[in-house]
Amino acid sequence: DAGVIQSPRHEVTEMGQEVTLRCKPISGHDYLFWYRQTMMRGLELLIYFNNNVPIDDSGMPEDRFSAKMPNASFSTLKIQPSEPRDSAVYFCASSIISGRAYNEQFFGPGTRLTVL
Amino acid sequence: SQQGEEDPQALSIQEGENATMNCSYKTSINNLQWYRQNSGRGLVHLILIRSNEREKHSGRLRVTLDTSKKSSSLLITASRAADTASYFCAPVRGGTSYGKLTFGQGTILTVHP
Repeated sequence: DAGVIQSPRHEVTEMGQEVTLRCKPISGHDYLFWYRQTMMRGLELLIYFNNNVPIDDSGMPEDRFSAKMPNASFSTLKIQPSEPRDSAVYFCASSIISGRAYNEQFFGPGTRLTVL
Repeated sequence: SQQGEEDPQALSIQEGENATMNCSYKTSINNLQWYRQNSGRGLVHLILIRSNEREKHSGRLRVTLDTSKKSSSLLITASRAADTASYFCAPVRGGTSYGKLTFGQGTILTVHP
């Protein structure tokens, strides 16, 4: 299995531009999570999906952030417009929970976003 | 809060020594998980301990759980330079929060060769 795939690995953009981060979860996994990691705030859960449906988006910082999961093999996190304070490493993770007794998550390599 | 709090924030040891990290949490849990993060990488799941278990081993890792004290510890025996990483605990509640993990600031472990 290729693991969780994220693209791009690095993104540098200017303030005000739209940014789209992409994630392909592990095949067969039914949960998908988006996290953001910064030195100041640590690792924050932004939103998670179960069977493509958003379950909890309470961690999404503001309306500039949106996430979608149009099918079981693809999710996007969009920031529009981007701001310098959005600079962080964004991780996607997936998990298979239904019918199982435990729920470890598998993380992608992350996308390092720099907003100038 | 479901978040676990790791202690110490940083730990520096020599290769071959044992490393112990602690985690405290506030709510009742279904299980507790430990993850490792190497610099610039995503988190990697290390071990999961269920609420009805008190101790679990995996290779050089030993995890304990004390639900009465709402605490867990991760012991890495005979540490190696490759163990240098950040370590996070994630207490997991049951019910509707079952799929959700909330991470603390982690413990930064440095193992000197």
